Amino acid sequence: DAGVIQSPRHEVTEMGQEVTLRCKPISGHDYLFWYRQTMMRGLELLIYFNNNVPIDDSGMPEDRFSAKMPNASFSTLKIQPSEPRDSAVYFCASSFGGGTNEKLFFGSGTQLSVL
Amino acid sequence: QKEVEQDPGPLSVPEGAIVSLNCTYSNSAFQYFMWYRQYSRKGPELLMYTYSSGNKEDGRFTAQVDKSSKYISLFIRDSQPSDSATYLCAMTDQGAQKLVFGQGTRLTINP
Repeated sequence: DAGVIQSPRHEVTEMGQEVTLRCKPISGHDYLFWYRQTMMRGLELLIYFNNNVPIDDSGMPEDRFSAKMPNASFSTLKIQPSEPRDSAVYFCASSFGGGTNEKLFFGSGTQLSVL
Repeated sequence: QKEVEQDPGPLSVPEGAIVSLNCTYSNSAFQYFMWYRQYSRKGPELLMYTYSSGNKEDGRFTAQVDKSSKYISLFIRDSQPSDSATYLCAMTDQGAQKLVFGQGTRLTINP
């Protein structure tokens, strides 16, 4: 298996533009997590899905952020409109059975820069 | 106050040294404790996993959990330049699916 695949690896955009980040989880995994990592705040959970259903989106910073998982093999995180403070590395992770007893597999992340 | 506190470093030690990395936490419900290693421009990967209190050893790595003090540690023996990475502690409670991560400690092992 190729692991968790994220695209794009890097995204540079201007303030106010829409940004869409994509994730393909490992086949067979039933949990998918979106994290954001910054120097100041570390790794923060934004939202997670179980069997394609959003379970907890309490970490989504504001209404500008939205996430979808239309099927078991694809998820998107959208920021509209983007702001400079959204600049961070966004990680997608998947697991079978959740993060308590099971290992989380992370993608390589999307480095987002909002100018 | 953050639920999980971890000194971000950076920490720089010579090759062969014993490294000690630590986290403290405030939520007494946490029972599952993990250490993730993150190389530059990569996602974190699970290094060690422990349940409740006690020690767990895996090769050069030892994870320790002291629930009475709400304190966890990762020891690296005979450190190697390839151990240079950011180490993140993570923890959660029974039945929860959300991991709470520490900020990560950036470690450099100098040849």
